[in-house]
Amino acid sequence: QITLKESGPTLVKPTQTLTLTCTFSGFSLTTSGVGVGWIRQPPGKALEWLAVIYWDDDKRYTPSLKSRLTITRDTSKNQVVLSMTNMDPVDTATYFCAHKGQGFGAFVYWGQGTLVTVSS
Amino acid sequence: DIQMTQSPSSVSASVGDRVTITCRASQDISTWLAWYQQKPGMAPKLLIYAASSLQSGVPSRFSGSGSGTDFTLTINTLQPEDSATYYCQQANSLYTFGQGTKLEIK
Repeated sequence: QITLKESGPTLVKPTQTLTLTCTFSGFSLTTSGVGVGWIRQPPGKALEWLAVIYWDDDKRYTPSLKSRLTITRDTSKNQVVLSMTNMDPVDTATYFCAHKGQGFGAFVYWGQGTLVTVSS
Repeated sequence: DIQMTQSPSSVSASVGDRVTITCRASQDISTWLAWYQQKPGMAPKLLIYAASSLQSGVPSRFSGSGSGTDFTLTINTLQPEDSATYYCQQANSLYTFGQGTKLEIK
């Protein structure tokens, strides 16, 4: 059974760096073809893909936010960490992590999401 | 960057109806297209991957078609529980979601 869960602060101040952790179980991030991605959703708005890290440690970012994002993994802890610098109120959103399976160009399993509010 | 455009942005239909949602990519994405269903306060649920492959456990009234730049999600015999927002997502070059289509059951 594959599960993912996001954790991190619920409130950050403008200009601060957000660090979110995705803790997963039921799969290995060293299995060929597997990836873990981050997707966010501002209140009442659409989904936005942010970043993905693959089984071979390849990392990809959405171009518009690439300069602010860093994705890393700790395979021994089954965790993926997303950092986003210089947070702004427009970054207020629910942040999801999700599993991308081998052969799937899609995110099959999702965490419940965590709401992050950016406010002074 | 590949842009994904969904239409309509919202649709209202009755139980038993057939609903079609369209997704257009700004460039050829072959069949690297997925569809998700999202209900309020919940994470998205994968319905269709590779444009037309039904994800395990998803009712057969959901189907997807298309290739290249034009894709459709069809829901046959609409059920009350199908009320949700539907998103397409491309995976040909990085990942991009459409803006969503809100489906209301009359």
